[in-house]
Amino acid sequence: AQSVSQHNHHVILSEAASLELGCNYSYGGTVNLFWYVQYPGQHLQLLLKYFSGDPLVKGIKGFEAEFIKSKFSFNLRKPSVQWSDTAEYFCAVSPKAAGNKLTFGGGTRVLVKP
Amino acid sequence: GAVVSQHPSRVICKSGTSVKIECRSLDFQATTMFWYRQFPKQSLMLMATSNEGSKATYEQGVEKDKFLINHASLTLSTLTVTSAHPEDSSFYICSARATTGPVYGYTFGSGTRLTVV
Repeated sequence: AQSVSQHNHHVILSEAASLELGCNYSYGGTVNLFWYVQYPGQHLQLLLKYFSGDPLVKGIKGFEAEFIKSKFSFNLRKPSVQWSDTAEYFCAVSPKAAGNKLTFGGGTRVLVKP
Repeated sequence: GAVVSQHPSRVICKSGTSVKIECRSLDFQATTMFWYRQFPKQSLMLMATSNEGSKATYEQGVEKDKFLINHASLTLSTLTVTSAHPEDSSFYICSARATTGPVYGYTFGSGTRLTVV
């Protein structure tokens, strides 16, 4: 079974600071990778996803993530955060095999101070 | 884009009663839907995978007789929490997976906060 690990549980930043959230997964086969964001009081929204091709994926709201296969990592980055980026971020993995169950990491709560 | 509607958003029920939560894909067909449970300040834990026209597949440790899942059509899955107890209080989230078209991927409902008193 696959597992997903997010290294930081809480991150506090000031506006305009750069953000990087770590995500590592364990699974023997090929996977699809996702980052979701959950703003306070709202449902999960997809930030970006990687299925194949260019390992550097650009998503919405200025976020990007890089898939490094050798490190089983899919770290999320944003060069300059805004107060509105305050949210919880979840990395998720699903095997490309039949079933495609999505497994989530523990989440990282990001607080951006104005 | 893909939209998944989940109802109700909040429900309070008495211990021992049953509660039904609906999950609908509004603009796409979803042969597979997923039900998650999210505890406070924790991640989403997959409870079961719901397949249209067949029995749901439950994750280890999830009681299938307690959490009844029905996926009667390509756009509707329901989760019924039977004989609810206070420990069932949680945030339940459904997800529908589109396998073709521009909305390929997983779309999440807005969640249902269940409080059992």
